[in-house]
Amino acid sequence: AQSVAQPEDQVNVAEGNPLTVKCTYSVSGNPYLFWYVQYPNRGLQFLLKYITGDNLVKGSYGFEAEFNKSQTSFHLKKPSALVSDSALYFCAVREWSGYSTLTFGKGTMLLVSP
Amino acid sequence: KAGVTQTPRYLIKTRGQQVTLSCSPISGHRSVSWYQQTPGQGLQFLFEYFSETQRNKGNFPGRFSGRQFSNSRSEMNVSTLELGDSALYLCASSSRENTEAFFGQGTRLTVV
Repeated sequence: AQSVAQPEDQVNVAEGNPLTVKCTYSVSGNPYLFWYVQYPNRGLQFLLKYITGDNLVKGSYGFEAEFNKSQTSFHLKKPSALVSDSALYFCAVREWSGYSTLTFGKGTMLLVSP
Repeated sequence: KAGVTQTPRYLIKTRGQQVTLSCSPISGHRSVSWYQQTPGQGLQFLFEYFSETQRNKGNFPGRFSGRQFSNSRSEMNVSTLELGDSALYLCASSSRENTEAFFGQGTRLTVV
């Protein structure tokens, strides 16, 4: 069975500072990894994905994520946070083989203060 | 390309009633998945359809059902509604080539 852990319910950061939202995963095979963002009363927006190749993946709105196979982690990062980045962030994993489902973490609320 | 469209956006139902939610995927996408989102349980997988066949099912009671039509549009039905069914129901579509899923805005169901 696959699973995702987001150890922080909330991350607080000041505008202009770097941010990191943590994610670790567990799958039996090779993973597809994703980050999504959700604004209030909206659906999930795709930010970025890791399939294969470079461990550092760049995505939308200046976000990037680093895949670390040995630590089974896929942390989301941004060099300089904006107040408008405040939202709920979800990490998700899908296994390579077959048509496995997307499994999501519980989500991390990011609050960026002015 | 139009995104994933879910209707209705908001719904209020009474306990014991049934409800049908609709999802139109991105054109060309044949896989449709449904998720229930609640503050306490987070995002929980309901089911996934591909080419009109249910391919995966989450751990929900039989009151939750779904189907997919030949044009890939999908519906989910919840019968005998309970207060605990109040949630945001999200639909996502994906293609065989793309591995990421694209989500609709969701249907906010309130059971009173």
